[in-house]
Amino acid sequence: NAGVTQTPKFRVLKTGQSMTLLCAQDMNHEYMYWYRQDPGMGLRLIHYSVGEGTTAKGEVPDGYNVSRLKKQNFLLGLESAAPSQTSVYFCASRSLDSLSSYNEQFFGPGTRLTVL
Amino acid sequence: AQTVTQSQPEMSVQEAETVTLSCTYDTSESDYYLFWYKQPPSRQMILVIRQEAYKQQNATENRFSVNFQKAAKSFSLKISDSQLGDAAMYFCAYRSALGNQFYFGTGTSLTVIP
Repeated sequence: NAGVTQTPKFRVLKTGQSMTLLCAQDMNHEYMYWYRQDPGMGLRLIHYSVGEGTTAKGEVPDGYNVSRLKKQNFLLGLESAAPSQTSVYFCASRSLDSLSSYNEQFFGPGTRLTVL
Repeated sequence: AQTVTQSQPEMSVQEAETVTLSCTYDTSESDYYLFWYKQPPSRQMILVIRQEAYKQQNATENRFSVNFQKAAKSFSLKISDSQLGDAAMYFCAYRSALGNQFYFGTGTSLTVIP
């Protein structure tokens, strides 16, 4: 049981390049999230998904797109990377299990992205 | 959007001593969940403790306990018998019982002094 995994762990891009971050979870969780973490700013929500085929915007969605074609995968895309998108990106998932009211998030190990 | 405030960017504690990290939040909801996450240098986010607003009893997990003051909208984390492995960034988080989004504070960096 791997939990939540993220690919890649590190990446360096040049301004204007595109890339996709992959998040995968094997816990059959309904909800998935993408965050960015910047020094002094905590975690800020980019996009999230409440189920396969659905996505919604979070606090800082500009410059990012997401897709959830399969329940276990949540992709984060940067179409034209900018230096302001240099950050650590975290994926998280959580269950909608009615027996567990807390339904806390489980996090992946993070991806450090640098845009030059 | 809900606001979660951690007013202590950095804290330090002597090994084996007790330290309290503060967290306040702003909400008009009556039912919600609060969490403390630990992020060690490995970067992995680890759930430390959680609390439901309707439960009056403060949550406890081994050396970690919370002081939940609903009226004051305060959710502080107490770490007893601090260990070197407790050194990390600690984040407070909030989720409405009816909501899908989690709101995080800006974090408190805890140093444990041997």
